[in-house]
Amino acid sequence: DAKTTQPTSMDCAEGRAANLPCNHSTISGNEYVYWYRQIHSQGPQYIIHGLKNNETNEMASLIITEDRKSSTLILPHATLRDTAVYYCIVTTGNQFYFGTGTSLTVIP
Amino acid sequence: DVKVTQSSRYLVKRTGEKVFLECVQDMDHENMFWYRQDPGLGLRLIYFSYDVKMKEKGDIPEGYSVSREKKERFSLILESASTNQTSMYLCASIPRGTGVTYEQYFGPGTRLTVT
Repeated sequence: DAKTTQPTSMDCAEGRAANLPCNHSTISGNEYVYWYRQIHSQGPQYIIHGLKNNETNEMASLIITEDRKSSTLILPHATLRDTAVYYCIVTTGNQFYFGTGTSLTVIP
Repeated sequence: DVKVTQSSRYLVKRTGEKVFLECVQDMDHENMFWYRQDPGLGLRLIYFSYDVKMKEKGDIPEGYSVSREKKERFSLILESASTNQTSMYLCASIPRGTGVTYEQYFGPGTRLTVT
């Protein structure tokens, strides 16, 4: 069963921030929020994960609402190579349900 | 770097054939997974294994079986391939969680066509 809800597709202008939302209203206290992306013809690639606090790494930032029912992945300066399908997953860490994700297109 | 390899990138088999898809990881991960990916359906979990000789059904195990005789190798078996099993198959591995979660590492995928 799907634990997350994401928009099917989004566009973003090159150089601008891409904000990808995810709803996970039934998240449990011990479940993390993970983000992966999949570029065409490749296996999914890990981006970032978090539990309660906002997280940042060299690829992206993850903003989790205080009630943990939703989160946003932020790509601060989107490039054409960020065009991919982005998956938001909630998991305790042993199983990952990917769903259909958000297809992000970065436009020149 | 973790490396997850799959035996073939592309495979064409005939209906009724027995098909073996092999996955090998070199980082001593306990947990391994097999997914299939179809347009509009995302990645769906077929089977997973959390240790040698252990296996658990995922969301869509029908028509598939698995084998995990060694820690580094997880095989997906299509006992009698059918055309509706034409798909992209992805293998993944992750160390067993111990209160701290890890990222899941994926192989490059095998695109299987059953004719």
